[in-house]
Amino acid sequence: NAGVTQTPKFQVLKTGQSMTLQCAQDMNHEYMSWYRQDPGMGLRLIHYSVGAGITDQGEVPNGYNVSRSTTEDFPLRLLSAAPSQTSVYFCASSYSSPGRGQPQHFGDGTRLSIL
Amino acid sequence: AQSVTQPDIHITVSEGASLELRCNYSYGATPYLFWYVQSPGQGLQLLLKYFSGDTLVQGIKGFEAEFKRSQSSFNLRKPSVHWSDAAEYFCAVGEGNEKLTFGTGTRLTIIP
Repeated sequence: NAGVTQTPKFQVLKTGQSMTLQCAQDMNHEYMSWYRQDPGMGLRLIHYSVGAGITDQGEVPNGYNVSRSTTEDFPLRLLSAAPSQTSVYFCASSYSSPGRGQPQHFGDGTRLSIL
Repeated sequence: AQSVTQPDIHITVSEGASLELRCNYSYGATPYLFWYVQSPGQGLQLLLKYFSGDTLVQGIKGFEAEFKRSQSSFNLRKPSVHWSDAAEYFCAVGEGNEKLTFGTGTRLTIIP
């Protein structure tokens, strides 16, 4: 059982480049989310989705786009990378909203550096 | 909006000693409360959760947490820590909407 799979695990970009962080889950979870983790700031919600075709913004959405065309996949796009987006990114999924008590399953993270 | 405070950035404990990690939240009603653990280079793993009922909840790896409404706290405890407990611990709060709010984390170091 793979759970939540994130690719790539590491990435270095130059300022202004674009890229997509991939996230896939095989648990048929409706809710998926992206967080970024920065030292001393915990995890901050970027975007989330409550089901295929439905996405919404979290706490720090600027500079990121998402889409949810299938239940399984929830890619995160950086359109024009900036050094401030250097971070560790985590994808998580749950049966329904974690804000209503559902525990989340996390991927192992993508470590992204923007030069 | 809800907020979560973990006042201890870093805690060092001797192996075999007891542990308590603090978590305070701000929310008027009873929130959904979680503790997650993150080992180096890995994602987060659920330790335990509280929704309602018995205020003392048991989790995996010998951890427990107690919800105290009067103090708006949900502290994590373990009677005897093991070297493998060295990790970062996050408290998280759900307010009944679509989002979960995480604290800033407490890094736990275990010394022999």
